[in-house]
Formats: sequence, C-alpha cells, structure tokens
Amino acid sequence: EIVMTQSPDTLSVSPGESATLSCRASQSVNSNLAWYQQKPGQAPRLLIYAATAGATGVPARFSASGSGTAFTLTITSVQSEDFGVYYCQQYNYGPPITFGQGTRLDNK
Amino acid sequence: QVQLVESGGGVVQPGRSLRLSCAASKFTFRDYGMHWVRQAPGKGLEWVALISYDESHKDYTESVKGRFTISRDNFRNTLYLQMNSLRVEDTAVYYCAKTFSDSSGYDAFDIWGQGTMVTVSS
Repeated sequence: EIVMTQSPDTLSVSPGESATLSCRASQSVNSNLAWYQQKPGQAPRLLIYAATAGATGVPARFSASGSGTAFTLTITSVQSEDFGVYYCQQYNYGPPITFGQGTRLDNK
Repeated sequence: QVQLVESGGGVVQPGRSLRLSCAASKFTFRDYGMHWVRQAPGKGLEWVALISYDESHKDYTESVKGRFTISRDNFRNTLYLQMNSLRVEDTAVYYCAKTFSDSSGYDAFDIWGQGTMVTVSS
C-alpha cells in the first residue's frame, strides 16, 4: 500500500497570504496524483489532477507541482472561501487507492 | 448538470446488511469507472471500492473484502454497494464518485455525490 503523508496537519493563514501544502508518497506515483478541497458538510471537490492540471472551474490562484514522491499545492492570495481541508490522493497503484490524512487550512 | 445522488443509508445493527445506490445523470455513465469512498465522523477520506465501466474489473480495500460488493446497472445509470456483515467501524458517510476520464477506474474523481450516512450500532 502506498502511504500518502501530508504536511502540515494544520496551516493558519490570513486572507491575502499565500499557502503551501505538501504531500509525500511512500513510493513513486509518477504524476498520478490529485488534490481535493473539502468544506464542512460538503463532498470533496477536485482541484488538481495529473499532479499539475487544474480541474474545470478552479480559480487560477490554485497551482500545483511535483512528480514521483513529492508534491505541492500552492494557493496564492488565499480567499475566505478557500478555508477547509485539503487532501492529496494517489491513483497510480491499487488497490488501494490512497488519500493523505488531510491538511486543514484555517483563518489565522 | 452532471450529478450523482446517493441513497440507502441508515442505522443498522452490527452483522446486518444494507445496500447503497448512486443514481447518475447528465453524463454517459456506461463510459466511466466508478468508486465508493467513505469518511468516518471527524476523519479523513478512505477509498472503499472501484468498478470499471463494464464491470470487468472490481477492486476493494482490504477491510471490506468478502463483505462488500460493488456493482452497476448501465441501463439504469446506477451504481450500487451491497454491504453485508456490517461492523461498527463501517460507520461513515459513503460517497460515490466518477472517474475523470478513465474507464478502468484508476483516475482522479471529478464528480462526487452528496453522501449518504451509514451508522452501524446496536
């Protein structure tokens, strides 16, 4: 099983600041990695697929990089609607498809 | 718009069964792999099962193998999860999800349902 580890567990930023979230895989997943945003009481929303490609309708302030085992999601100029929990997911190997434990993005 | 709607959740005693459904609309359901993902209260996301577009391939997370069965009806545009021998630790919100572009199932999940709550308790 590929273990996905996200850091930090919680990130506190003020609106307008940038946020950088990290995700590490226990072995290479190539570029088969996605990022999701989840707000309380809602289903997850796809932000990024194939490690760097933005999903339809995702604002340009969300960008991502990485391949292999190390990945980053960057939010430039965080908006109030961006606060929530972010998950990375690998779909290169399975079963199982695995998610990271999540990073909570809080308003400082 | 493209939509997935789950149903069938509820409260059930340990050892009993439950069948979840996921109705798909506004996309060609038969072309896409589909998944079930669950989230225990206050916890993260856990992938449960996948099924390829034509049911030729199914995968499960280890903890549900032999107890859960994923299936689909491409005429009714519906995905199912039959859950038998339920355990307290199966308590979670269960989401169905559509793969972004892959028929086999190994892809990002671009559309999610709203989720249905399953509570296993005596």
